Amino acid sequence: GAGVSQTPSNKVTEKGKYVELRCDPISGHTALYWYRQSLGQGPEFLIYFQGTGAADDSGLPNDRFFAVRPEGSVSTLKIQRTERGDSAVYLCASSPRAGSGGNEQFFGPGTRLTVL
Amino acid sequence: QQQVKQSPQSLIVQKGGISIINCAYENTAFDYFPWYQQFPGKGPALLIAIRPDVSEKKEGRFTISFNKSAKQFSLHIMDSQPGDSATYFCAASMLEPISGANSKLTFGKGITLSVRP
Repeated sequence: GAGVSQTPSNKVTEKGKYVELRCDPISGHTALYWYRQSLGQGPEFLIYFQGTGAADDSGLPNDRFFAVRPEGSVSTLKIQRTERGDSAVYLCASSPRAGSGGNEQFFGPGTRLTVL
Repeated sequence: QQQVKQSPQSLIVQKGGISIINCAYENTAFDYFPWYQQFPGKGPALLIAIRPDVSEKKEGRFTISFNKSAKQFSLHIMDSQPGDSATYFCAASMLEPISGANSKLTFGKGITLSVRP
């Protein structure tokens, strides 16, 4: 079956603009995670959804970052007033419901965001 | 404070050799320890994972050794191949106590493995 997909694969924007990054998880996966990976670093946690609700948003760096998952499937990460320091690869992962092999997080290919 | 630390920073191994990557963690509440492999332009992919109730787990050429008292775990890649050349990340998380679902992963910085033909 299809894996986690993310669109766009690349996004170039100007400082101060608004961007939306989309994640389509593996069908049936109830948990969805967003991470950010800077060059030469490991992924850094941003937010985690269980179903439609954010179970943990402690990794969001500030109130310019927001994510939604209105129907418990597709998620959108929204960044307002982008800054050059937001440039990174944004990774999405999904995980099946616990009790059905629920530990593994399956990652998408990421969206490379460049803020000029 | 970096909660998960990897060593070495890079590793070069000859084809057929053993690659060993080490990881140390700070938080004793962590109870799930995966290793991920990442190729350029791709997302990380799970290689193998271990829970703290076992000291070793083997899957094919990949083995995790876990030392709870030292708060360390390592990845051994036997018979290393050029196709194993990639970036490797250790990570740790706390599974939710009732559901067993995975919460956020805390990753190390990664190490670049090069396997020479």
